[in-house]
Amino acid sequence: DVVMTQTPVSLSVSLGGQVSISCRSSQSLVHNNGNTYLSWYLQKPGQSPQLLIYKVSNRFSGISDRFSGSGSGTDFTLKISRVEPDDLGVYYCGQGTQYPNTFGAGTKLELK
Amino acid sequence: EVQLVESGGGLVQPGRSLKLSCAASGFTFSNYYMAWVRQAPKKGLEWVATISTSGSRTYYPDSVKGRFTISRDNAKSSLYLQMNSLKSEDTATYYCARHWIGGFDYWGQGVMVTVSS
Repeated sequence: DVVMTQTPVSLSVSLGGQVSISCRSSQSLVHNNGNTYLSWYLQKPGQSPQLLIYKVSNRFSGISDRFSGSGSGTDFTLKISRVEPDDLGVYYCGQGTQYPNTFGAGTKLELK
Repeated sequence: EVQLVESGGGLVQPGRSLKLSCAASGFTFSNYYMAWVRQAPKKGLEWVATISTSGSRTYYPDSVKGRFTISRDNAKSSLYLQMNSLKSEDTATYYCARHWIGGFDYWGQGVMVTVSS
């Protein structure tokens, strides 16, 4: 199984600041078809997860351009700029390149 | 508007069975793979099952393979998860999700399953 390792476990940020979350996979996430199925999710307190980014760098419908994804192979990053109160919660990366689909353990974003 | 509404959760004894349902609306259900993802209390996300558009292909992690069965009724726009031989470690909130481009683009509100004697 592909192990997804997220760092850091938690982050403190000031409103308006910028943060980066790292996600590393134990195997390359490049599919046989050439696509890389790495997604990012945000779970706000008391809510279901929501998709932010799919295929490494594509913002899902309605997602602010303050969120950006990058990376390739086994190393990926989510950047959040101009952090707003509504951005707080737990961020997860997930891979859909192979079964079983797996998620990182999460990164909790809190206010400083 | 895409909506996924789960039902069927509750308290069940170890070794017993439970069936979850998910009613989908706001999109052409038969065109999408669908999935179940769970989250144990205070823990992260764990993918549980995925089913193809026609239902002919299903996928499970080893943790539930042989005990859980995902199915769908495209005529009713409904997704199901039959859970047998339940264990305490199956205690979690179960989310119905649309499986799209290698990720999960829409999620239900979740339904709680507690396995305890």
